[in-house]
Amino acid sequence: DTAVSQTPKYLVTQMGNDKSIKCEQNLGHDTMYWYKQDSKKFLKIMFSYNNKELIINETVPNRFSPKSPDKAHLNLHINSLELGDSAVYFCASRETGYQYFGPGTRLLVL
Amino acid sequence: GIQVEQSPPDLILQEGANSTLRCNFSDSVNNLQWFHQNPWGQLINLFYIPSGTKQNGRLSATTVATERYSLLYISSSQTTDSGVYFCAVGGGTASKLTFGTGTRLQVTL
Repeated sequence: DTAVSQTPKYLVTQMGNDKSIKCEQNLGHDTMYWYKQDSKKFLKIMFSYNNKELIINETVPNRFSPKSPDKAHLNLHINSLELGDSAVYFCASRETGYQYFGPGTRLLVL
Repeated sequence: GIQVEQSPPDLILQEGANSTLRCNFSDSVNNLQWFHQNPWGQLINLFYIPSGTKQNGRLSATTVATERYSLLYISSSQTTDSGVYFCAVGGGTASKLTFGTGTRLQVTL
């Protein structure tokens, strides 16, 4: 009965590759997010979607492209991966006020 | 944007001790959450507390919105309380959370 799930949990890849991370929530929420946690544990918002519409797009390189096929799913595609993209990526969904986070995807770019 | 500061940055406690973690924020907020990130990296919701006081077992939190701070109290700490505690705030209609830099807590035997 996982509320917010992400796949994969771990992703190891070479520089220059393209990869996707998937997120699904079964809570019926309208709003979903991607956050990035860097090596110093700092967490920062990347994107937010409300009912499949992009509502927040922070200063993120355009190699990162979110896609929401329906309100229960928010995927993150990353092109031309760079060493600096290594981080933990968290998906979240929101009911009134409260945000629920997924388990995270640990991405390592070699 | 909103600035969020947490203190102390690091804290070492013996099991059984009590502690208070502080979160200061720079602007009005309509959302404030406390999270515990355990050693396995999971972010666990502790409290949704844009104002007032809440308690859950050994943990309690108080937010004084007019003075722009929140406190997280941990009583009778246990080794399983170790990890990083984050305060995150949100304001306006954008609903995004801005995270503080966290308090790293280590509870020893």
